[in-house]
Amino acid sequence: EVQLVESGGGLVQPGASLKLSCVASGFTFSDYWMSWVRQTPGKTMEWIGDIKYDGSYTNYAPSLKNRFTISRDNAKSTLYLQMSNVRSEDTATYYCTRESLYWGQGVMVTVSS
Amino acid sequence: DIVLTQAPLSVSVTPGESASISCRSSKSLLSSKGITSLYWYLQRPGKSPQLLIYQMSNLASGVPDRFSSSGSETDFTLKISKVETEDVGVYYCGHRLEYPLTFGSGTKLEIK
Repeated sequence: EVQLVESGGGLVQPGASLKLSCVASGFTFSDYWMSWVRQTPGKTMEWIGDIKYDGSYTNYAPSLKNRFTISRDNAKSTLYLQMSNVRSEDTATYYCTRESLYWGQGVMVTVSS
Repeated sequence: DIVLTQAPLSVSVTPGESASISCRSSKSLLSSKGITSLYWYLQRPGKSPQLLIYQMSNLASGVPDRFSSSGSETDFTLKISKVETEDVGVYYCGHRLEYPLTFGSGTKLEIK
């Protein structure tokens, strides 16, 4: 059974950094592109970016590429999202997803002082 | 960026009746490979999104055939036949044609 489990969320102050993780199981992680998608409290869905199966290539939403970095560790079957200089508008639930078919349960990030 | 416009914002349906949701794209979603890159998702209350339809008209695994989708290159319709209470939630369209991927704003389905 494919499982994606995100972690690392919580309350963070504006301007701080935060790293989210997504542990995958039930499939060969290193065979698949992986993505991050977020959903705001108002339920707007926003694609953040994705990473090639070997980690050699990434794509980002233009509005986020200067502050967010996606990486992966295939040996640990883990996907990461490094968020820097976070803002209140980054408050959202963050999902990792495999090809939009499989989604994690999501992790909440709240940016507030 | 491709803009996906959904309508209506919400729909209220009597169990057993049908519901239709529209998604209009600002650009053709027909790829050079002849695939229409339009996807439909359902997010039930308190749950993660789940894929319903891929490449405009293909049912994802485990999705009942009460769900169907059709369209052209820019105008798409999700139809739910014989609506059941478990169909309650927010329906989103999305595309995977080019970067950045984008989503519609969602249509909330409620049961009367």
